[in-house]
Amino acid sequence: QLQLQESGSGLVKPSQTLSLTCAVSGDSISSGTYSWSWIRQPPGKGLEWIGYIYHSGSTYYNPSLESRVTISVDKSKNQFSLKLNSVTAADTAVYYCARASRLGRGYYFDYWGQGSLVTVSS
Amino acid sequence: EIVMTQSPATLSVSPGERATLSCRASQSVSSNLAWYQQKPGQAPRLLIFGAFTRATGVPARFSGSGSGTEFTLTISSLQSEDFVVYYCQQYNNWITFGQGSRLEIK
Repeated sequence: QLQLQESGSGLVKPSQTLSLTCAVSGDSISSGTYSWSWIRQPPGKGLEWIGYIYHSGSTYYNPSLESRVTISVDKSKNQFSLKLNSVTAADTAVYYCARASRLGRGYYFDYWGQGSLVTVSS
Repeated sequence: EIVMTQSPATLSVSPGERATLSCRASQSVSSNLAWYQQKPGQAPRLLIFGAFTRATGVPARFSGSGSGTEFTLTISSLQSEDFVVYYCQQYNNWITFGQGSRLEIK
């Protein structure tokens, strides 16, 4: 059974960098069929896709966040990571990692981590 | 960016009845649409992909339909655990989600 687990700092100061890691178990992140994604949800609000990465290392980011986001993969540890720089209070959210399966032109999310709340505050 | 608009924002239905939730895309997304269910304090759960294909383990009372710009999630014979929030997501052009629809007990 595939499982994803987020970890990282729960409190980040404004203007600093948010860093999260997603550990994957039950499947190899090197599997060519899937991509690996980050999605966030501000408290009480809807879902926003941040970006995804293929096992090859190719990345695709939400244009609205692209200038501040980096997603990377560590195949030796079977995990992938998110860095979001220059954070503000608007970046306060629950951050989910997810596996994305391809169908047609894009990806839907079939497995999700439990989520990690990150608060941006001084 | 493709904007996904869900309606209604909140739907009041009695247990055992049928619920119909709508999702409209600002431009055609073909059948590249998924539906998710989110319970309080939990991650979203995939219900439907490809507009009408149920994900593994999803009860048959959940069904999806539509293509292009108009989509529907129907839940027949509502159970108590179904009164939560539902999101649609298009993956035809990048990825965007609807704002969500909440099912509440009438």
